[in-house]
Amino acid sequence: DAGITQSPRHKVTETGTPVTLRCHQTENHRYMYWYRQDPGHGLRLIHYSYGVKDTDKGEVSDGYSVSRSKTEDFLLTLESATSSQTSVYFCAIRIGLASTGELFFGEGSRLTVL
Amino acid sequence: EDQVTQSPEALRLQEGESSSLNCSYTVSGLRGLFWYRQDPGKGPEFLFTLYSAGEEKEKERLKATLTKKESFLHITAPKPEDSATYLCAVIQGGSEKLVFGKGTKLTVNP
Repeated sequence: DAGITQSPRHKVTETGTPVTLRCHQTENHRYMYWYRQDPGHGLRLIHYSYGVKDTDKGEVSDGYSVSRSKTEDFLLTLESATSSQTSVYFCAIRIGLASTGELFFGEGSRLTVL
Repeated sequence: EDQVTQSPEALRLQEGESSSLNCSYTVSGLRGLFWYRQDPGKGPEFLFTLYSAGEEKEKERLKATLTKKESFLHITAPKPEDSATYLCAVIQGGSEKLVFGKGTKLTVNP
């Protein structure tokens, strides 16, 4: 168990409202990632972080921002949620010196934007 | 154009009926190919890493192989608990980004 906690696990919100998803790890792993998973698209990278205050964009970053003010927390923010952002969001971490592709995922956060 | 294509999209097997899942990729400078398993309502779980053509990895009833254009996940004498969606992903040279295929949903009937 890599000790990843995502919150909230489920959220229903309305179009135009801000939403923040939190990913918390209990160990000091450097790399953290946010993915979204949608039917017909698979898992797509939104943003990732390679250290405190060090972040980079993934393939579907428009409409999302991230922050990492401390090692254990990686926040994903939807400034103004849209229906197209209805999805399941997964946080992942890379454990220590593991390969870039060997990630441990959280349980997911299901977001519904009405 | 998809960089990672998995086939079939869905596969139904009887318990004990061996088969293979396919993952073809088009990235240049492959740095690694990765297999994951995902159960309903859960996050993906890492299974294997393959780095070069000819490499093979095994875990219980699963065996992953890699060529220059594709990877296979062979399932020998599957059991119902092997039912899951299997995801393939790649990293190409110079990138920190893991690109996933859409997955193959495997159902093993008792």
